Amino acid sequence: QVVLVQSGAEVKKPGSTVKFSCKTSGGTFSTFVISWVRQAPGQGLEWMGSIIPIFGTRNYAQNFQDRATITADESTTTAYMELSRLTSDDTAVYYCARDLVDWGQGTLVTVSS
Amino acid sequence: DIQMTQSPSAMSASVGDRVTITCRASQGIGNSLAWFQQKPGKVPKRLIYAASRLQSGVPSRFSGSGSGTEFTLTISSLQPEDFATYYCLQHNTYPQAFGQGTKVEVK
Repeated sequence: QVVLVQSGAEVKKPGSTVKFSCKTSGGTFSTFVISWVRQAPGQGLEWMGSIIPIFGTRNYAQNFQDRATITADESTTTAYMELSRLTSDDTAVYYCARDLVDWGQGTLVTVSS
Repeated sequence: DIQMTQSPSAMSASVGDRVTITCRASQGIGNSLAWFQQKPGKVPKRLIYAASRLQSGVPSRFSGSGSGTEFTLTISSLQPEDFATYYCLQHNTYPQAFGQGTKVEVK
C-alpha cells in the first residue's frame, strides 16, 4: 500500500494562487499515476488532472487547462497542484490519489475575501 | 471529452435489497470504468476496476458489468455499511471523468 499525505488547509483571496502538496511513501513514485480530484461542499467528485512522473506527462480537465499546473518531484516523492486565478467556486477539498487506489486525506482550500 | 451519466442520482433502499446503479458514457470506453464508494467525510474507495474486477478486500456482494457505453454496479444484498454515494469513472481517454454520483439512502 502506498501512503499519501497532503499539506494542510489553505485560505486564499479571490484572484490569488494556491499550491499544495502530496507526499507519497512506498512503491515506486516515478511509475505512479498521480491524479488530483476535487470535491466542492455537498457536491460530487471532479477529476482535475494527472501526472506520470517517469514520462513527465500531464493531462488536465478542460475546466483547469489554463490555470492548473501539476508537478512532481521524484527526489522527494512529492506531487504538487498549483491553481491560479482562484474564485469562490474553487472552495473545495482537493485529493491526490495514486492510480485512484490509494488516496490522500484531502486538503481543504477556502477562497474568500 | 467523454461525459458520464449516472442513474439514478439518488435512491432509497432497505437492508437486504438488491441495488443497481447505471453509468452511461457519451462514447465507447471499452471496459475502462471504475466504481467508487464514498461515505460522508471520508475519502473515496475504489470498489471495481476494469468494469467488472473486484478490488482486493471488497465484499463479493459488489459486482460490476458492462462494456462500451453502458455499465452497471450491483449490490446483491445491501448491508448497513453500504449506505453511501457511488461514483463511476471512465479512464479510457483523457480527460478522465466521474459520473455525478448516486446516493443510496435508507428507506
